[in-house]
Amino acid sequence: SYELTQPPSVSVSPGQTARITCSGDELPKQYAYWYQQKPGQAPVLVIYKDSERPSGIPERFSGSSSGTTVTLTISGVQAEDEADYYCQSTDSSGTGVFGGGTKLTVL
Amino acid sequence: EVQLVQSGAEVKKPGESLKISCKGSGYSFTNYWIGWVRQMPGKGLEWMGVIYPGDSDTRYTYSPSFQGQVTISADKSISTAYLQWSSLKASDTAMHYCARARQGGNADWYFDLWGRGTLVTVSS
Repeated sequence: SYELTQPPSVSVSPGQTARITCSGDELPKQYAYWYQQKPGQAPVLVIYKDSERPSGIPERFSGSSSGTTVTLTISGVQAEDEADYYCQSTDSSGTGVFGGGTKLTVL
Repeated sequence: EVQLVQSGAEVKKPGESLKISCKGSGYSFTNYWIGWVRQMPGKGLEWMGVIYPGDSDTRYTYSPSFQGQVTISADKSISTAYLQWSSLKASDTAMHYCARARQGGNADWYFDLWGRGTLVTVSS
């Protein structure tokens, strides 16, 4: 079955830049999406179609794609950005799939 | 307000059946797919499946991992989607989220609006 691979954890200090990667063989052919999930809350879409930002999402969130890897970048990280982040895409059979998630810790 | 409102937490015994709900409001329910996502305790998100409760037809896509394990349905007349189990197992204990599903233009899926989740606990 298709897998998206994320690092389990990323740590940054406030004001620095956090980069969270997601790798998958189908990513050159399918868009990637990113969700933020804070403890006890439902996920929130923060990036769609690799690099588009939904309304209401701060400009410090951005996305990029290169080959089989997509990257979520958070510039000028704030304490409120501490959360789990999940990438999501679609496999060749048309079924959605999530990455394992990355816990972002703001030191 | 555009929102998805899910039914309340459930506690069930193994072998029992269960149907949880997700009511859409503030948008045209029959114009969008609705999906379900599982999150087991302390674990990540899992894509279960989606349903299109269209005016003229209903369509489904299930993840192979959940095909045959759950049933997704919808009642257009009350803008509500459902997730159903016929015989629960302890391993079904999880938070279940419904979410409005969109397609990004390449037959790919994403979720742009989420419910708050329904916690299902299965224990003897």
